[in-house]
Amino acid sequence: DIQLTQSPSFLSASVGDRVTITCRASQGISSYLAWYQQKPGKAPKLLIYAASTLQSGVPSRFSGSGSGTEFTLTISSLQPEDFATYYCQQLNSYPLDFGPGTKVDI
Amino acid sequence: EVQLVESGGDLVQPGGSLRLSCAASGFTFSDHYMDWVRQAPGKGLEWVGRSRNKANSYTAEYAASVKGRFTISRDVSENSLYLQMNSLKTEDTAVYYCVRDLRFGETFYFDYWGQGTLVTVSS
Repeated sequence: DIQLTQSPSFLSASVGDRVTITCRASQGISSYLAWYQQKPGKAPKLLIYAASTLQSGVPSRFSGSGSGTEFTLTISSLQPEDFATYYCQQLNSYPLDFGPGTKVDI
Repeated sequence: EVQLVESGGDLVQPGGSLRLSCAASGFTFSDHYMDWVRQAPGKGLEWVGRSRNKANSYTAEYAASVKGRFTISRDVSENSLYLQMNSLKTEDTAVYYCVRDLRFGETFYFDYWGQGTLVTVSS
């Protein structure tokens, strides 16, 4: 199975900050990676798929990059509604596991 | 508008069974891969299993933790996805989400999620 790690696991930031979250895969997954945002008590929301493609309706301050084993999610200017937990997920092979999550807090 | 509405979550004893339902609307159900994802209280997301689309004969894949105990099925006439859960364990306690997949090339990403239904396994 492919293992995903995320760093940091917790991030304290302020409105307007540039935030970068890293996801690393234990083996190469090409660009088969997605990023999700989850707020407390809510279902996850797809932000980025295929490593760098912005899902329809997602603000352009979100961007994704990377391929192979190292990927990043960047929020260019953190907004109040962006405080949430972010998960990466690999879709290269079964099981379609998620990373452990990164909580972005004030 | 795509809608996914889960139901069937309940309190069940260890060793018991439960069937979750997901009512889908706003898209052609038979064309899409569908998944179940769960989240234990205060924990991260765990993929449970997948139902491929009609073109792929609705075949399924499962996480190792549920294989042999859980079964995913569909009723296309009802636009519904099901998760039959048998031999339940306390570690199956979680919110279960129904998810629709977005095809991009040969890969399928999780683009719409239901609101989730809570399954509690406890004596």
